[in-house]
Amino acid sequence: QKEVEQDPGPLSVPEGAIVSLNCTYSNSAFQYFMWYRQYSRKGPELLMYTYSSGNKEDGRFTAQVDKSSKYISLFIRDSQPSDSATYLCAMRNFNKFYFGSGTKLNVKP
Amino acid sequence: DTAVSQTPKYLVTQMGNDKSIKCEQNLGHDTMYWYKQDSKKFLKIMFSYNNKELIINETVPNRFSPKSPDKAHLNLHINSLELGDSAVYFCASGTSGQETQYFGPGTRLLVL
Repeated sequence: QKEVEQDPGPLSVPEGAIVSLNCTYSNSAFQYFMWYRQYSRKGPELLMYTYSSGNKEDGRFTAQVDKSSKYISLFIRDSQPSDSATYLCAMRNFNKFYFGSGTKLNVKP
Repeated sequence: DTAVSQTPKYLVTQMGNDKSIKCEQNLGHDTMYWYKQDSKKFLKIMFSYNNKELIINETVPNRFSPKSPDKAHLNLHINSLELGDSAVYFCASGTSGQETQYFGPGTRLLVL
């Protein structure tokens, strides 16, 4: 079993939809939780990070962490075609980062 | 100015060859990483250096040897390349203790 599980998708939604992306994890020692966006043939770029249970909002993006359920989510409001990318969740324990396999999102105009 | 750069961007080579990938960061970070991303987009850490010292060395064949000449550079040398080494290799940098990492554009390695 991988330490971080993520549905690979692809997920296809119309422009303006609310998107929900999720990851589960097995290691309760994970301290920090991150979401990365990766466009095709590019390196991942950090979108958001949080270290506590609850919600964190940044513009159209909301990151949610539920440590009791070992479950994290990323919500994208008013999705745009430019949001089409692969979204990777990541978790950190001390110096090591563990990534999910990514969910491919396609936002149709 | 590119924050984390890698060379080359593409590498096509034959099985059994030896090749190197170079990484440089100009962000003043003290920690650098090498990741391997397979065809299913799974990103797995290989090595991490902090202030030129190896701090993470995952279960990677010893054909892979990282070298950090200084805090701003981390190179990866691969001996006796195999078909299974084909992947995208990403370099990343960050500051020890902080959550953020900045990734390079990747080096696409294809072993024939």
